[in-house]
Amino acid sequence: EIVMTQSPATLSLSPGERATLSCRASQSVSTGSLSWYQQKLGQAPRLLIYGASTRAAGIPARFSGSGSGTDFTLTISSLQPEDFAVYYCLQDYKLPVTFGQGTKLEIK
Amino acid sequence: QVQLVQSGTEVKTPGSSVTVSCQASGDTFNSHAINWVRQAPGQGLEWMARIIPLVGRTHFAQKFQDRITVTADRSTSTAYMEVRSLRSEDTALYYCARVIVGADSEGFDCWGQGTLVIVSS
Repeated sequence: EIVMTQSPATLSLSPGERATLSCRASQSVSTGSLSWYQQKLGQAPRLLIYGASTRAAGIPARFSGSGSGTDFTLTISSLQPEDFAVYYCLQDYKLPVTFGQGTKLEIK
Repeated sequence: QVQLVQSGTEVKTPGSSVTVSCQASGDTFNSHAINWVRQAPGQGLEWMARIIPLVGRTHFAQKFQDRITVTADRSTSTAYMEVRSLRSEDTALYYCARVIVGADSEGFDCWGQGTLVIVSS
């Protein structure tokens, strides 16, 4: 199976700062198969980015995704208080679908 | 607005089985697959299985393939997942999530609210 590794495990930043989250696949995946999710405490995950770089409906422009092959990045340009949550990447290029272990974005 | 509505909390004893349901609104079953994802307390997301209701095709994560069954009833737009031989480690929130069927995924764009399954003696 394709292993997805996210870094860092925890990211401590202040509101207004820029956040850069990484996701590395153990083998190359198509950009069309890479997506990012936000999960807040007690809530279901929410799709942020699909196709590595396309924002899902209703997602603010401060969220952006990039990357190809094995290395992908989620960037939040200017953190808002509501952005502090756990973020997961996912690949469904090859079954089984696999998630990264998550990056917790916490307030510094 | 598309919704996936899941069944309620279940409390089960070790060795028993549980069935979780996920009812979809709109045209989901004609164009999407339904995935099952679980999240143990304080842990990350783990993909378990997928069903494409239009054709009945299923896929499983290897660790679950002997213990789970996934089905879909197109007449009620409801997907089901049965987990057998429950153990305490199966205590988790179980989510269904849809993904469009096609060459390029558009991500898991709609999630159910989650079903808590507690396995305890």
